[in-house]
Amino acid sequence: QKEVEQNSGPLSVPEGAIASLNCTYSDRGSQSFFWYRQYSGKSPELIMFIYSNGDKEDGRFTAQLNKASQYVSLLIRDSQPSDSATYLCAAGYNFNKFYFGSGTKLNVKP
Amino acid sequence: EAQVTQNPRYLITVTGKKLTVTCSQNMNHEYMSWYRQDPGLGLRQIYYSMNVEVTDKGDVPEGYKVSRKEKRNFPLILESPSPNQTSLYFCASGTYNEQFFGPGTRLTVL
Repeated sequence: QKEVEQNSGPLSVPEGAIASLNCTYSDRGSQSFFWYRQYSGKSPELIMFIYSNGDKEDGRFTAQLNKASQYVSLLIRDSQPSDSATYLCAAGYNFNKFYFGSGTKLNVKP
Repeated sequence: EAQVTQNPRYLITVTGKKLTVTCSQNMNHEYMSWYRQDPGLGLRQIYYSMNVEVTDKGDVPEGYKVSRKEKRNFPLILESPSPNQTSLYFCASGTYNEQFFGPGTRLTVL
């Protein structure tokens, strides 16, 4: 069974701080990794994808992948109240099957 | 506007009454997929389609059928719904780097 594990939270950080979200996956055959954001009552939307070990930065967001440890993380710098949402981690196989974690709820306090 | 649409958005039905949830995308994507989202379980993939007439099972296909006769449409069929299929359903289309999700269909089976 392929599993993606996330701490459900909530993770609370003050405005302007760095939020660190973590995810582990069970199957070393995973080829691609994704972070989606889901606001309450809305559909998920992609923040970032990452395929290779190391860091990938896009604006205030940095995704980190460590395949040896089967670990993916998302750092949000200068957190804003508008970043308050549930963050879903996903692992992809063969570019057609995707396994999602249950999400981490982030609260950014003004 | 590029989008994925689903209908209906809300549906309450009874056990055993066949239903279809429609999904349509206007982004010319070859890949489409269906997910269900349940509290604590995250998004789970039901079926996916790599192209017209090409569909395959995801992680939780039991009790569901799909068809892909046209590139833009990917309906989800529940031939004999049961209460354990009560869930929030999302259709998605995209590429291997990103999936665009529809607004969701909240289904209740009594």
